[in-house]
Amino acid sequence: QQQVKQSPQSLIVQKGGISIINCAYENTAFDYFPWYQQFPGKGPALLIAIRPDVSEKKEGRFTISFNKSAKQFSLHIMDSQPGDSATYFCAASTGNNNDMRFGAGTRLTVKP
Amino acid sequence: ETGVTQSPTHLIKTRGQQVTLRCSSQSGHNTVSWYQQALGQGPQFIFQYYREEENGRGNFPPRFSGLQFPNYSSELNVNALELDDSALYLCASSWQGAEEAFFGQGTRLTVV
Repeated sequence: QQQVKQSPQSLIVQKGGISIINCAYENTAFDYFPWYQQFPGKGPALLIAIRPDVSEKKEGRFTISFNKSAKQFSLHIMDSQPGDSATYFCAASTGNNNDMRFGAGTRLTVKP
Repeated sequence: ETGVTQSPTHLIKTRGQQVTLRCSSQSGHNTVSWYQQALGQGPQFIFQYYREEENGRGNFPPRFSGLQFPNYSSELNVNALELDDSALYLCASSWQGAEEAFFGQGTRLTVV
C-alpha cells in the first residue's frame, strides 16, 4: 500500500543547521503533498503542503521543494532548533485527502 | 490543537474481542478519515466517511467497520481483534473536497 518512500529514517542535526528530508512517489495522479510533524504521544500536525503546479513553497523556516518530473519532493528546515525534534512524515493524495499515502517517517533530532 | 478529539486515549483488549473507538471532528468539518499507525510506521488509510456513508476504503478487512453520525462524529469498530491490530488509531477531519486534514491525538490500542 506504501506508495511514498521517505528517507532518511533518522537524522541528527546541530542547532542552527539545515535538516533535509526526501520523499519519492509513484502515482502520478497525486496532486497534493503535505508534510506532517508528530511529537511522541500526539497525532500528526500539518506543517506545510504543496501542489505540483509550483516548484517551491516557503513558510517561515520550512520549505518544500518539488520536482514533478522526478516525482520527488523534499522538506528543508532552516536554522533547525531543538524544539523541531520530532518525527516528520511526507504524504501524498489526490487532493481530496481520501486515502492519503504516508511515508514511513523520519525521526529528526536537533542537538543543542 | 486541531479541535479533533478521540476517545479513549489508551485501551487494552484481549485477542478475539471487539473494540469501538470514537472521534469528534473539528467544528464545521463534514468528513472523517481513519488511519492505523503501527509503531515506527506512517499512518495507513483505513476508510473515510462523508454524509454518514463510507467514501473510500484502504486495504483493511471487513472486520474494520465504521459509522458517521449526523453531527459528523464517527466511530471505528474492529471485530475479532488480532495481536497485529495493536497500533495508534488516528482520525482526521476535513471538509469534503478540501485538501487539508487535521488529526486527533489518537487512541493507542494494545491487543494482548
